[in-house]
Amino acid sequence: GAGVSQSPSNKVTEKGKDVELRCDPISGHTALYWYRQSLGQGLEFLIYFQGNSAPDKSGLPSDRFSAERTGGSVSTLTIQRTQQEDSAVYLCASSSRAFGGVRYNEQFFGPGTRLTVL
Amino acid sequence: GIQVEQSPPDLILQEGANSTLRCNFSDSVNNLQWFHQNPWGQLINLFYIPSGTKQNGRLSATTVATERYSLLYISSSQTTDSGVYFCAPGEYGNKLVFGAGTILRVKS
Repeated sequence: GAGVSQSPSNKVTEKGKDVELRCDPISGHTALYWYRQSLGQGLEFLIYFQGNSAPDKSGLPSDRFSAERTGGSVSTLTIQRTQQEDSAVYLCASSSRAFGGVRYNEQFFGPGTRLTVL
Repeated sequence: GIQVEQSPPDLILQEGANSTLRCNFSDSVNNLQWFHQNPWGQLINLFYIPSGTKQNGRLSATTVATERYSLLYISSSQTTDSGVYFCAPGEYGNKLVFGAGTILRVKS
């Protein structure tokens, strides 16, 4: 596709349930990022994948959060035992398009998944 | 990590007016982006500008990396410019650190 896509667009779950959020990056982008936007916290970094390197997990708020990226493309963010404070919009971005031998670091964002934990 | 301050936090303009939004950051960066978040929540890329000056229509941006600030200029504002404007410098590894944003409302 032309841009970053995310699914589902909205997710309502009950406290204690597990959820999976999906991100399809722009084709050819080697870097993929997850961010979270919540009221009172702004936009915060969660995790970063670059090619085959070990991911930077420094932004994950707890061990209930995990993410994987299969085949260097699609990524899934999993939240286990959801809590009400996990309610937020989860945004995915991709970057690192090499063009003419030059790497561009501009990040492009998907539309987000709005997660509501009841 | 990088600290980011955006000013002003809120801005109300009459349609046709010009404005300048400022972003101060605390450390050296190798990436800086400006975004417009529309009322539907989509982050729209405005500028990728780690240094220098760029222009795109009624918008322009300048980053002075040595002095750790960036400016976004909006000229002849329109109601469709309303929304939240974010500055986001990039740390090592290029993860972005977002400021709190400037909420812009353009009145017709």
